[in-house]
Amino acid sequence: DQQVKQNSPSLSVQEGRISILNCDYTNSMFDYFLWYKKYPAEGPTFLISISSIKDKNEDGRFTVFLNKSAKHLSLHIVPSQPGDSAVYFCAASALNLNTGTASKLTFGTGTRLQVTL
Amino acid sequence: KAGVTQTPRYLIKTRGQQVTLSCSPISGHRSVSWYQQTPGQGLQFLFEYFSETQRNKGNFPGRFSGRQFSNSRSEMNVSTLELGDSALYLCASMKRGGLPSTGELFFGEGSRLTVL
Repeated sequence: DQQVKQNSPSLSVQEGRISILNCDYTNSMFDYFLWYKKYPAEGPTFLISISSIKDKNEDGRFTVFLNKSAKHLSLHIVPSQPGDSAVYFCAASALNLNTGTASKLTFGTGTRLQVTL
Repeated sequence: KAGVTQTPRYLIKTRGQQVTLSCSPISGHRSVSWYQQTPGQGLQFLFEYFSETQRNKGNFPGRFSGRQFSNSRSEMNVSTLELGDSALYLCASMKRGGLPSTGELFFGEGSRLTVL
């Protein structure tokens, strides 16, 4: 049961254009969402996050939008650069009522972004 | 500041064997989590340790186990290896008790296990 879904395995975008990566989730208990970027032979690195009390968070060229009613979030990269070529993972967490922590992340399967010249 | 260190980086085992992977978290980080990455399933949560205690557990069989030492270093063990256990095993450390925050999960480069 894939609770976090990234339905596009790959995306190709021209340099300078906007990249839009999408993510859907099914668990309404998720209250914190993150995007990670992964290069080959490296571990994922944190990119940007958003709390469920917000609908938008921006950090430089990266903006994450959250639509709670649709259980959908998206990552916008503007303008896209060749160095952005990587696999992007969407992740979500929910408060563990037993431990009082939210340290378990549920990841999507990733979208491979290729930014072409 | 040194990052999360995982050893070994690559290893090959045969079916039925067992394997132990090691993870040294960032200094001062007390939480260590393990994830399995496979092409079709993405990253799947195995378990999390905090102060030598397993705090969260994913949906993996009992063949997968782990532990954490008093210096926060962690090991995970997979017994009776199966072909499907071939994957990249990622360790991540976190300073505080849990999210939410600005992505406090720091990942190592992973240990790539191939089971023949």
